[in-house]
Amino acid sequence: DAGVIQSPRHEVTEMGQEVTLRCKPISGHNSLFWYRQTMMRGLELLIYFNNNVPIDDSGMPEDRFSAKMPNASFSTLKIQPSEPRDSAVYFCASSLYWNTEAFFGQGTRLTVV
Amino acid sequence: KNEVEQSPQNLTAQEGEFITINCSYSVGISALHWLQQHPGGGIVSLFMLSSGKKKHGRLIATINIQEKHSSLHITASHPRDSAVYICAALTNTGNQFYFGTGTSLTVIP
Repeated sequence: DAGVIQSPRHEVTEMGQEVTLRCKPISGHNSLFWYRQTMMRGLELLIYFNNNVPIDDSGMPEDRFSAKMPNASFSTLKIQPSEPRDSAVYFCASSLYWNTEAFFGQGTRLTVV
Repeated sequence: KNEVEQSPQNLTAQEGEFITINCSYSVGISALHWLQQHPGGGIVSLFMLSSGKKKHGRLIATINIQEKHSSLHITASHPRDSAVYICAALTNTGNQFYFGTGTSLTVIP
């Protein structure tokens, strides 16, 4: 398996634009996690899914953020409209179950100017 | 007060030294996760443990549930161990995840 695949690796966008980050989890994994990492706040869990169903989205900062998992092999994290303070590295991770070892993608570095 | 506290924040060691990174947590957990983040930014899962000890190569992770404390040990440290090490607590209620702020390790040749 190629591991967790995220795209794009880098994204630069203007304030106010819609941004969509994509994640393909490891095949067979039942849980998928979206994280955000900044210098100020470190690593934060935004949302996670079990069997494609969102379980805990309490980490989603605002209504501008939304995440979907239409099937077991694909998830998106959308920011609309984007703001400069959204600039961060966004990681996707998947695991067999929510409380088992997670495998991380390479991350998407988002810069909102 | 953070639910997960790591110490030290920064650590510099000479190659070959034995290294210990500590993680204390204040919540009830179902498991504790140790992550390694390389200078390039990639994150690798090292251990997930809920009791006792796990060993992988030169890395050893221990957890004491009663004391709410976990340690990550690196034996015979090497410059390639230089990274940020993060512990994350998975709570046993509410499915919450709490992260430590990380320990930045630099191993000097």
